[in-house]
Amino acid sequence: SYVLTQPPSVSVAPGKTARITCGGNNIGSKSVHWYQQKPGQAPVLVIYYDSDRPSGIPERFSGSNSGNTATLTISRVEAGDEADYYCQVWDSSSDHLVVFGGGTKLTVL
Amino acid sequence: QVQLQESGPGLVKPSETLSLTCAVSGYSISSGYYWGWIRQPPGKGLEWIGSIYHSGSTYYNPSLKSRVTISVDTSKNQFSLKLSSVTAADTAVYYCARLFTVVTPEWFDPWGQGTLVTVSS
Repeated sequence: SYVLTQPPSVSVAPGKTARITCGGNNIGSKSVHWYQQKPGQAPVLVIYYDSDRPSGIPERFSGSNSGNTATLTISRVEAGDEADYYCQVWDSSSDHLVVFGGGTKLTVL
Repeated sequence: QVQLQESGPGLVKPSETLSLTCAVSGYSISSGYYWGWIRQPPGKGLEWIGSIYHSGSTYYNPSLKSRVTISVDTSKNQFSLKLSSVTAADTAVYYCARLFTVVTPEWFDPWGQGTLVTVSS
């Protein structure tokens, strides 16, 4: 089955830019979606179709996808952005159709 | 605004069947979309369990397929999860969510608040 690899943790100072990667074989050929999950809460969609933002998600959140890596970028990081972030794809090439990355804990220093 | 709410027992004994229901409001399941179940063991990541279309067509995680049944009740605007022969490894927060579909199913939005199910005697 398809595997998505995320770094377990990323740390960034307030006001700086955080980049969270999601690696997968030729992931650039798939659509990648990103979720933010704060402690004790359900995940919330923050990016869909690689780089589109749902309504209500700040413009500071952006995404890109090319080759073997998709990236979630959070600009001007705020303390409230501290959360776990998960990437996800729909993999129609296998039986395991929905694949999540292992998640990345974003720490705001 | 679409809202989902999980319900069911918070404690299940080993070897028994876990049963959860997801009630949908603000949208008629009969109108379309896939709907799904995702779980998250304490302190761990997200695991897709399976998804169902309003017509009843299902997709399951191959690692759970032998134990999972997902069904839909359009008259009650809800869908359900049954996971048989549970063990402590099935202890998790269980989420239901709409699987947003364009040409193919793609992303989950929105999600229910989640319900913790503990497997213990």
